[in-house]
Amino acid sequence: SQTIHQWPATLVQPVGSPLSLECTVEGTSNPNLYWYRQAAGRGLQLLFYSIGIDQISSEVPQNLSASRPQDRQFILSSKKLLLSDSGFYLCAWSASPYEQYFGPGTRLTVT
Amino acid sequence: AQSVTQLGSHVSVSEGALVLLRCNYSSSVPPYLFWYVQYPNQGLQLLLKYTSAATLVKGINGFEAEFKKSETSFHLTKPSAHMSDAAEYFCAVSRKGGTSYGKLTFGQGTILTVHP
Repeated sequence: SQTIHQWPATLVQPVGSPLSLECTVEGTSNPNLYWYRQAAGRGLQLLFYSIGIDQISSEVPQNLSASRPQDRQFILSSKKLLLSDSGFYLCAWSASPYEQYFGPGTRLTVT
Repeated sequence: AQSVTQLGSHVSVSEGALVLLRCNYSSSVPPYLFWYVQYPNQGLQLLLKYTSAATLVKGINGFEAEFKKSETSFHLTKPSAHMSDAAEYFCAVSRKGGTSYGKLTFGQGTILTVHP
C-alpha cells in the first residue's frame, strides 16, 4: 500500500531564516505531487504541483519554491521566511488525475 | 473555472442526530467530486468520491453523498452522528477531462461539532 511521509511535523523558525520541508511517497511510481498551505480560517491553497521529476508548476507568486529531485520526493523551500508563511503545510499525491491522498502535515510557525 | 461553496462554516448536531453538510459546485463540464475529513493537526482523509458512476456514493465511517446535477450539489450525510465525527469537512471538485495534474478546488470547509 502507499504511504506518504512529511517532516518535520512541527517547526518554529525566525523571520528571515531558510526553510526546507520534505515529502516522500512510498509504494507507487511517478505520482503527481502537490504542496498546499492551510492558514487559519482560509481553507487550502495549492502552492505547487508536479507531474514528474523537475516538472513543477507554481500556482501563486510567493517567496517559496519547490523541487522534485527524485520521483517520490518533493521539497518545499524558502530562502527567507516571512511572518505570513506561517501555517499548516500539506503534501499530497495522486496516481490518477483526480483524487489526492494527503500526508500528515507540517505545522510551521514563523516568529 | 470551477468553484465549490460549502454552506455553513460551522454545523452543530447532537449525538445520534442526522448530519447534513452542504456543498454546491460550479463547473463548466461534468465534474468529479470529493469529500475529505480533517481532524485537528492532521492531514486530510478521503471520505468518498463521485466519478460519474452511481449518483449515491457511500464512503467510510457511514457517510454518503448524493450527486444532483440539476441542483449542482453534492451534500454529505450520515444518519446518526457519533462524537468521533467531530472534525472539519472539505468538499472538492476536479474537472473531468482536465490535464494530467488533476487540480482539486476545495471549499472553505465546515466544522462539525457533535454534542453529547
